Amino acid sequence: GAGVSQSPSNKVTEKGKDVELRCDPISGHTALYWYRQSLGQGLEFLIYFQGNSAPDKSGLPSDRFSAERTGGSVSTLTIQRTQQEDSAVYLCASSLGPYSDEQYFGPGTRLTVT
Amino acid sequence: AQSVTQLDSQVPVFEEAPVELRCNYSSSVSVYLFWYVQYPNQGLQLLLKHLSGSTLVESINGFEAEFNKSQTSFHLRKPSVHISDTAEYFCAVSKITGGGNKLTFGTGTQLKVEL
Repeated sequence: GAGVSQSPSNKVTEKGKDVELRCDPISGHTALYWYRQSLGQGLEFLIYFQGNSAPDKSGLPSDRFSAERTGGSVSTLTIQRTQQEDSAVYLCASSLGPYSDEQYFGPGTRLTVT
Repeated sequence: AQSVTQLDSQVPVFEEAPVELRCNYSSSVSVYLFWYVQYPNQGLQLLLKHLSGSTLVESINGFEAEFNKSQTSFHLRKPSVHISDTAEYFCAVSKITGGGNKLTFGTGTQLKVEL
């Protein structure tokens, strides 16, 4: 079946603009994770969704970052008033459930803030 | 909180030579241990994992890792590398307690296999 898909694959935006990044998890996977891969910080956890439960937002770096997951499937990560330090590859991963040990990663969205 | 240290940012090696990529972790609770691989222009893929049981785990493409609790290490080894093993390798840990499987990654090791 299809893997995790993310769109867009690349996004260039001007500083101060808002951006939305989309993630389509594998069908049937109830757990969804967002990570960020940047030169300065490496790979870091951002937010976790499990079914219809309240998300774990403990990794979000500032209140400019938010995410939602509609209908327990597609997720959107929104960055408001983008800054140059937001430039990174944003990765989405899904897994069967909260106790599943294997996460399946999407190809990522490369965000460049100019 | 957990942390993962990958001391080697780059490891060059000739084809058919052995390689070891080092990973050390720190955690106050029991953790799961993982190695993920990112081939050029591809997404992260799980290479192998240690959840419990035997300290030695193997992947289908010849890599193995040994969990050493006393040294808090999970080094990745391959006795004979191939050019296609060129990739970035990430060691990661997560807590065994509930609430999801949030991964804490190391900074990665770029393995470059040369002819």
